[in-house]
Amino acid sequence: AQTVTQSQPEMSVQEAETVTLSCTYDTSESDYYLFWYKQPPSRQMILVIRQEAYKQQNATENRFSVNFQKAAKSFSLKISDSQLGDAAMYFCAYRSARGNEKLTFGTGTRLTIIP
Amino acid sequence: DAGITQSPRHKVTETGTPVTLRCHQTENHRYMYWYRQDPGHGLRLIHYSYGVKDTDKGEVSDGYSVSRSKTEDFLLTLESATSSQTSVYFCAISGSFNQPQHFGDGTRLSIL
Repeated sequence: AQTVTQSQPEMSVQEAETVTLSCTYDTSESDYYLFWYKQPPSRQMILVIRQEAYKQQNATENRFSVNFQKAAKSFSLKISDSQLGDAAMYFCAYRSARGNEKLTFGTGTRLTIIP
Repeated sequence: DAGITQSPRHKVTETGTPVTLRCHQTENHRYMYWYRQDPGHGLRLIHYSYGVKDTDKGEVSDGYSVSRSKTEDFLLTLESATSSQTSVYFCAISGSFNQPQHFGDGTRLSIL
């Protein structure tokens, strides 16, 4: 079974600075997808970024980028120019590429933005 | 935003009562999922559906049943609610296996 580990329960960063959230996962599969979801206090689950395992190029979405290290099974999220609206819980998630597979989530990292 | 509506948004009920949560989508997506979110656990899959009348169990399915009689609706039922089922429940949808899942706004369920 796949597992996803987020070892940082809480992180904080000064506004306008850069922060990196860590995620590692365990799988025996070679083809899969990785995601970062954001959950603000409103409770919504918002997709931030996704990465296909077969792609070597790291995904980017505006101020959000990932560092995908397939051999190390690491998938970190970098937030540049942090803004107050980035404050949220961030969840890393894994999904097999085999079919209608579930998402396996990490336990989350709570990010605080310091004005 | 993906057209997903969960109802009710909040519910308080007593142990032993039946509870049904509804997920309604307007995207005509094939796949629908029910997750529960608890502190220290992230989100965990309860049940999912890959088509009308096609459902399967997730990792925490005990005490829950689901039904999908129409593409747009996916119902989660707690036949006899217990306090351990107090949680926030999320519905998610996906058009195909290689598309990301999009989530509803969640239902906070409290069982006293």
